[in-house]
Amino acid sequence: GAVVSQHPSWVICKSGTSVKIECRSLDFQATTMFWYRQFPKQSLMLMATSNEGSKATYEQGVEKDKFLINHASLTLSTLTVTSAHPEDSSFYICSARRGTNVEKLFFGSGTQLSVL
Amino acid sequence: GENVEQHPSTLSVQEGDSAVIKCTYSDSASNYFPWYKQELGKRPQLIIDIRSNVGEKKDQRIAVTLNKTAKHFSLHITETQPEDSAVYFCAAPGGSQGNLIFGKGTKLSVKP
Repeated sequence: GAVVSQHPSWVICKSGTSVKIECRSLDFQATTMFWYRQFPKQSLMLMATSNEGSKATYEQGVEKDKFLINHASLTLSTLTVTSAHPEDSSFYICSARRGTNVEKLFFGSGTQLSVL
Repeated sequence: GENVEQHPSTLSVQEGDSAVIKCTYSDSASNYFPWYKQELGKRPQLIIDIRSNVGEKKDQRIAVTLNKTAKHFSLHITETQPEDSAVYFCAAPGGSQGNLIFGKGTKLSVKP
């Protein structure tokens, strides 16, 4: 159990376009999901916390208008990178928390974004 | 807030040798410490975790030790194999949203 699906697994887009990444909890409800960004050879950096039915909470330095997060249901959160630029190229990973316990945190498979 | 430091950043061992990765944390209230293994382009995989009410936990070739007084915990891998080569991250609870704070990672290379 506890499967988190993330799509797409990789995407290449032109500079100036927007890209949407989906994170789904397949067999449990997740009121809270997290979005991370990971540069090559670096750690996972939390970008924002996605809460079902309310606005996302962004970490300091993350542009909320640039990285739009929507958590409209208990099993789906989306991250939209708007007007993407080459510096947005990165590996994006989501995680979904089952309940309120941080021990029940499950990761998506990640999305490699390349902006040309 | 919680701060997690991880050392070393890279570790190279010969197949069959042991590998040890260490992490320190700052929040004495933290009570859960997982270790993740991440292969290139893949999601982090939980390999072992420990709660603050025990000092050691073992699962076959992998063990984690916790020293609450010193606020550090370590990952021990014995009889290393080439497939153990990956990046390993430690983590501890932190943040206002009930998240995990990750160490910077250790790239482990096991040479055959």
